[in-house]
Amino acid sequence: DQQVKQNSPSLSVQEGRISILNCDYTNSMFDYFLWYKKYPAEGPTFLISISSIKDKNEDGRFTVFLNKSAKHLSLHIVPSQPGDSAVYFCAASESGSARQLTFGSGTQLTVLP
Amino acid sequence: DTAVSQTPKYLVTQMGNDKSIKCEQNLGHDTMYWYKQDSKKFLKIMFSYNNKELIINETVPNRFSPKSPDKAHLNLHINSLELGDSAVYFCASSRREGGYTFGSGTRLTVV
Repeated sequence: DQQVKQNSPSLSVQEGRISILNCDYTNSMFDYFLWYKKYPAEGPTFLISISSIKDKNEDGRFTVFLNKSAKHLSLHIVPSQPGDSAVYFCAASESGSARQLTFGSGTQLTVLP
Repeated sequence: DTAVSQTPKYLVTQMGNDKSIKCEQNLGHDTMYWYKQDSKKFLKIMFSYNNKELIINETVPNRFSPKSPDKAHLNLHINSLELGDSAVYFCASSRREGGYTFGSGTRLTVV
């Protein structure tokens, strides 16, 4: 049972444009959401997070939006750069879960120069 | 300095063998994890240790045994390796919610 879903396995965007990566979840107990970025042959690295008490969190070119009623979150990257090309994982956790993260299957973002 | 280091990076072994993957973190984190990335690219938690104590043990065959000699180390030992154990295994550590730091992964191939 996939509690965190990333339905787009890949996304291609032109450099300078906006990249929008989507994530859906089914567990209503999730209250903390994160995005990780992964380059080949490396481990995932933390990118940005959002608590369920917020609907938006921004950090430089990266913004995460949370729609609790739709159980949906998205990551916006603007402007996109070739160095952003990587696999992006959405993850979620619930309070008291001993910090266990449940990951989606990832979306491969390719930013074309 | 590597924050979370795991060795080896690649491991090719025959079915039935016993192997270990080592993980060390120098971040002072109190919780360490093992995740498995399967063929469908999902990252699934296997184990979590907090201050050397097991706190999460997902449905993992008992051929997999984590060992934490101290809170900076969490090793993964696998007995009687099977073809289906082939995957990338990631070690991670954290001090607070969301503050995960991952190792670079160990690609295990069982032949």
